[in-house]
Amino acid sequence: GAVVSQHPSRVICKSGTSVKIECRSLDFQATTMFWYRQFPKQSLMLMATSNEGSKATYEQGVEKDKFLINHASLTLSTLTVTSAHPEDSSFYICSALAGGPTDTQYFGPGTRLTVL
Amino acid sequence: AQSVTQLDSHVSVSEGTPVLLRCNYSSSYSPSLFWYVQHPNKGLQLLLKYTSAATLVKGINGFEAEFKKSETSFHLTKPSAHMSDAAEYFCVVSDRSSASKIIFGSGTRLSIRP
Repeated sequence: GAVVSQHPSRVICKSGTSVKIECRSLDFQATTMFWYRQFPKQSLMLMATSNEGSKATYEQGVEKDKFLINHASLTLSTLTVTSAHPEDSSFYICSALAGGPTDTQYFGPGTRLTVL
Repeated sequence: AQSVTQLDSHVSVSEGTPVLLRCNYSSSYSPSLFWYVQHPNKGLQLLLKYTSAATLVKGINGFEAEFKKSETSFHLTKPSAHMSDAAEYFCVVSDRSSASKIIFGSGTRLSIRP
């Protein structure tokens, strides 16, 4: 149980285009999902917290107009990188809370974004 | 405030020997503590978690960790390393009343020598 999927697993795009990444909780409902970014050989950096039916809460320094987050249902959150640039190339990982706020975050397999 | 320190950025052991990955935490509240493993270009997999029950927590793949409040530690151990254990390991702390804000350690890369 508590499986989180991400799609796509890898994406390569041209500079200036937008890319959408999907995060799904497959066997549970997640009122809260999280988006992280991970640079090579570094730990995860929280970008934003996504709550179903409301606006996402962004961490300091994360541009909300650059990284659009939508949490339209209890099983799906999307991250759209708008007007992507090479510096946006990174590994993006989502997670979802299963159960109440005291439960565990379960992580997706990640999406490798490369912007040419 | 919460913080977590993984004392070793890289640990290398021989296959079949014990593994010890160290983690110390600081928390103003009763913490929940987790260990996650990440294989190259993969997401994070939960190994084990401590909330408020037994201080010795058994996880998957033969790993276990002991919560020691007096030492503010939550070290991860395994009696006998396997080649497939080579990966990055993250110690994570959160406020037990809210799993929304979790703090990651910097990670420990575990290498296994044949």
